[in-house]
Amino acid sequence: KAGVTQTPRYLIKTRGQQVTLSCSPISGHRSVSWYQQTPGQGLQFLFEYFSETQRNKGNFPGRFSGRQFSNSRSEMNVSTLELGDSALYLCASRVVLQETQYFGPGTRLLVL
Amino acid sequence: DAKTTQPPSMDCAEGRAANLPCNHSTISGNEYVYWYRQIHSQGPQYIIHGLKNNETNEMASLIITEDRKSSTLILPHATLRDTAVYYCIVRGANYGGSQGNLIFGKGTKLSVKP
Repeated sequence: KAGVTQTPRYLIKTRGQQVTLSCSPISGHRSVSWYQQTPGQGLQFLFEYFSETQRNKGNFPGRFSGRQFSNSRSEMNVSTLELGDSALYLCASRVVLQETQYFGPGTRLLVL
Repeated sequence: DAKTTQPPSMDCAEGRAANLPCNHSTISGNEYVYWYRQIHSQGPQYIIHGLKNNETNEMASLIITEDRKSSTLILPHATLRDTAVYYCIVRGANYGGSQGNLIFGKGTKLSVKP
């Protein structure tokens, strides 16, 4: 079974721009969670989606948003990028009634 | 979810067993202990989880003390490829389908040396 895939793998943007990242979960996994990883703050939860609805949200500003499609694929969007948004963005999928999450390779975003 | 405490770093010789401890003294009766690891710049990888019995899979063994206040992840024959940050996470049983927010601490950086 194919793992979680994320596109693009690397991205460079400038301050003020917006960015959209994509995540395709493992087949049969309906829950997708997003995380941000920075050297200073470590791995932090952004939000979770399943059945096309946001179910859980971390402590991030409204510039960070997401959505999920009927095939469980998910996108996250960051608007008005700031230098501090430079990070590794990770997506994880799971079967809704199970805790174990399976992570993708991440998208490394650099904001200049 | 209960808080966990792990040593910031550990070394292990290649081919030897790596024993990574985790303290979770406030764990409650229905909370599981999960272990993930993250090899440099990759996504975290699930290793193993358990409730109160010891568990073993193809990657590792998990030993949970009888009082469940601490646990040890054992990599029986560590290789250079096991060099990674290892995270111990305590999670409640998920029946509501709304608990997709893993809380990662700083973990233990394991360095396997030749």
